Amino acid sequence: NAGVTQTPKFQVLKTGQSMTLQCAQDMNHEYMSWYRQDPGMGLRLIHYSVGAGITDQGEVPNGYNVSRSTTEDFPLRLLSAAPSQTSVYFCASSQSDRGEKLFFGSGTQLSVL
Amino acid sequence: AQTVTQSQPEMSVQEAETVTLSCTYDTSESNYYLFWYKQPPSRQMILVIRQEAYKQQNATENRFSVNFQKAAKSFSLKISDSQLGDTAMYFCAFMIRYTGNQFYFGTGTSLTVIP
Repeated sequence: NAGVTQTPKFQVLKTGQSMTLQCAQDMNHEYMSWYRQDPGMGLRLIHYSVGAGITDQGEVPNGYNVSRSTTEDFPLRLLSAAPSQTSVYFCASSQSDRGEKLFFGSGTQLSVL
Repeated sequence: AQTVTQSQPEMSVQEAETVTLSCTYDTSESNYYLFWYKQPPSRQMILVIRQEAYKQQNATENRFSVNFQKAAKSFSLKISDSQLGDTAMYFCAFMIRYTGNQFYFGTGTSLTVIP
């Protein structure tokens, strides 16, 4: 099993550009989420999904959009990148919301110039 | 609001010694789970140990154990017989049951194991 696959691993954008971070999991997990990791701030939840067609905002959703058309995929869209979005982004999935561990992707290092 | 506090940004320990990483959290909920995740330089997030808040018995996983004090909202991680491979960033986290799997993470403790 591949687990949680994130692409790309690295990306450099100019301010105002848009892009989509891809996330796919092959474990048939209903729960998926996106986190950003910034130095000194730990991981913060951006958006999450409890199943296909259902998404909700986390702690820091501004500037990001998500959709969940299939169980497997949960892309994160930056519509107009800003330097404040420079961060490492992690996608994660889990079997349930009853204390199961999160399976993480390998992360995307994004720099916005 | 849910918060997780790790008050030790950096720690070091001699190889084979024992070290304890501190974590406190704040929530008004009663049904939740606590976790410690390890992030080595590879950036991969690895689950170290998990604790169910409704269980009083402290979780253990080989050299890793926790001291869970529910009333004090404290969840410290003890690493025994420290190994060089334990060098990593450690994050404390918790999630509230049945809320869509929203995790709240602390700011992390960078642990260095010294040969």
